[in-house]
Amino acid sequence: GDSVTQMEGPVTLSEEAFLTINCTYTATGYPSLFWYVQYPGEGLQLLLKATKADDKGSNKGFEATYRKETTSFHLEKGSVQVSDSAVYFCALSDLGSGGSNYKLTFGKGTLLTVNP
Amino acid sequence: EAQVTQNPRYLITVTGKKLTVTCSQNMNHEYMSWYRQDPGLGLRQIYYSMNVEVTDKGDVPEGYKVSRKEKRNFPLILESPSPNQTSLYFCASSLYRRTEKLFFGSGTQLSVL
Repeated sequence: GDSVTQMEGPVTLSEEAFLTINCTYTATGYPSLFWYVQYPGEGLQLLLKATKADDKGSNKGFEATYRKETTSFHLEKGSVQVSDSAVYFCALSDLGSGGSNYKLTFGKGTLLTVNP
Repeated sequence: EAQVTQNPRYLITVTGKKLTVTCSQNMNHEYMSWYRQDPGLGLRQIYYSMNVEVTDKGDVPEGYKVSRKEKRNFPLILESPSPNQTSLYFCASSLYRRTEKLFFGSGTQLSVL
C-alpha cells in the first residue's frame, strides 16, 4: 500500500537557518504530494502541493519539488523564522486499492522549533 | 467563511458511555473524513465518505461508526468508548479529486477514563 516516510524530529534551528525536512513516498499510481503544517492547538492546513513529476510547490518561502525518480518531496526554506515553529506533515493522495476512490496518506510529522 | 466545524473541542468521558463528535462543512464538499492523531503515529484515517450515504473504512475503523445523511454533516460515533480511543480527532473535507487539498477542523481532544 501507499506510505510516506519523513525524517524523525524534533528539529531545532536558530532563526535564519536553512531548513530541510526529508520526505519519501511509496505509491502504486501517480500521486499528488502535499505538505501540511500544524501550528500549536490548531488543525492542519495546506502549506504547498505538487500534482505531477518535476512540479515545484511553493508558499511562504517554503519549497518542495516532486521527484519521481527518487520518490521524494523534500521541504526546504532558506531562512526560517520563529513563527515557522510547528509540526510539518508530508502527505500523498492516490487511488485507493479499489482503483476508484482516492486516499490521503500522511507521514508521522516532524516537529520544528525555531529559536530566536 | 469557508470552514470545517467540529464540536466539542474537548471531551472527557468514561468507558462505555456512547458519544458523538459532530462535524459540519459549509463548502459543499463531496469528500469528508475522520482522522485520529497520536504521538509517534501521526494521522491515521478512521472513516471517509465520498458523498451522501457513501462511507468506507479507513485504516483504523474499529470501535467507530459514521453516517452521512446530509452532504454537510459527518458525525463520528463511539458506541462504547474505551481508553485506547483517547486521542486528538480531526474532521476534514475536500472536493473529491486527488489533487485537492483537505480542509481540517480545529480538532477534538477526547479522553476516555
